[in-house]
Amino acid sequence: DQQVKQNSPSLSVQEGRISILNCDYTNSMFDYFLWYKKYPAEGPTFLISISSIKDKNEDGRFTVFLNKSAKHLSLHIVPSQPGDSAVYFCAASARTGNQFYFGTGTSLTVIP
Amino acid sequence: DAGVIQSPRHEVTEMGQEVTLRCKPISGHNSLFWYRQTMMRGLELLIYFNNNVPIDDSGMPEDRFSAKMPNASFSTLKIQPSEPRDSAVYFCASSTPLPGLAGNEQFFGPGTRLTVL
Repeated sequence: DQQVKQNSPSLSVQEGRISILNCDYTNSMFDYFLWYKKYPAEGPTFLISISSIKDKNEDGRFTVFLNKSAKHLSLHIVPSQPGDSAVYFCAASARTGNQFYFGTGTSLTVIP
Repeated sequence: DAGVIQSPRHEVTEMGQEVTLRCKPISGHNSLFWYRQTMMRGLELLIYFNNNVPIDDSGMPEDRFSAKMPNASFSTLKIQPSEPRDSAVYFCASSTPLPGLAGNEQFFGPGTRLTVL
């Protein structure tokens, strides 16, 4: 049973516009959330994270928002660039555990 | 500074054959994870080790799958006998021993693409 869900398998946006990737989770024990980015033929690489004590974390063009009551997080990329085209995985963990639970990924295409 | 190293990068085998995937974690990382990526389930955790000890193997699909970590710098994932439904990309990842804290993200290898005919 998927504890972390990414319901949009793909997303296309124009260069310069905002990309919004969504993620939902079911386990209320999760308190640390991450986004990973994956290019073809490469392993996922860490992009940005957020702890449950925050509702927003920003790093350059990337911002992650956390809505604990809705068990929802989102990744905003502004402005989107063609190099952002990749698969984005959402992941969650609980401090009491030792593993990350990943979603199924969203494939982002930024159109020049 | 080398990241997580996996070999082989690609493996094509016939149904019934034994397959062994290899992983060298980042030096100093105490936790090692094996994942399988499929379209339906995304990145699925198979097993993870802390200090070379298997902690949770509940994700291993069945007895055909086994994993070992004989020392801190090497791990194997073995499938015997392999089946076509095992075809997927298998990733190894490592981290410092307290994931869940800022900065302790998992570092992934490039993956092994397994095709079982």
